[in-house]
Amino acid sequence: EPEVTQTPSHQVTQMGQEVILRCVPISNHLYFYWYRQILGQKVEFLVSFYNNEISEKSEIFDDQFSVERPDGSNFTLKIRSTKLEDSAMYFCASSNRGGYTFGSGTRLTVV
Amino acid sequence: LAKTTQPISMDSYEGQEVNITCSHNNIATNDYITWYQQFPSQGPRFIIQGYKTKVTNEVASLFIPADRKSSTLSLPRVSLSDTAVYYCLVGDTNFNKFYFGSGTKLNVKP
Repeated sequence: EPEVTQTPSHQVTQMGQEVILRCVPISNHLYFYWYRQILGQKVEFLVSFYNNEISEKSEIFDDQFSVERPDGSNFTLKIRSTKLEDSAMYFCASSNRGGYTFGSGTRLTVV
Repeated sequence: LAKTTQPISMDSYEGQEVNITCSHNNIATNDYITWYQQFPSQGPRFIIQGYKTKVTNEVASLFIPADRKSSTLSLPRVSLSDTAVYYCLVGDTNFNKFYFGSGTKLNVKP
């Protein structure tokens, strides 16, 4: 069964540092997403990406966040200057006009 | 976007059928209803999706009445491994975004 792959599985970073979270979506999917989940809370939408541009973004997705599809397979989320409150699980998902397939997530810990 | 309302938690016993209902009173014509399952520290996993009436797959059934203002996920003969949070999502056919509600935490007891 096709999978969405995320790396790293866990990243620890110091406050103020930049982090890049990586995702390899399912190869024939056209829609890509980032969600996050703070421990014990619900899954929150960050951004959707289609045809090499952002389709929708939430109020969480401010100027410190950016997304990129640098090649035909990877989809990245960059957080420019991390804050303590950015600590969360970050999930990448992809879709082809059906249900989403989520990756297993990257646990980001900002210290 | 259509807001969804689900029970916060439910308890069940192994072997029982579990029905989780979701309300989405302001669902739009183009919206689909999708259910996901999430285990701790894992990404949500697609269970089933439907537009109207009934949809069935190998793991669940989804019942949607004619007015589409609610939907019911039915899990036949649950086991301990079905203990998880179940989310009902309503989203447009452009799939630009889905918003997760708080979900229903299902606790299956032996």
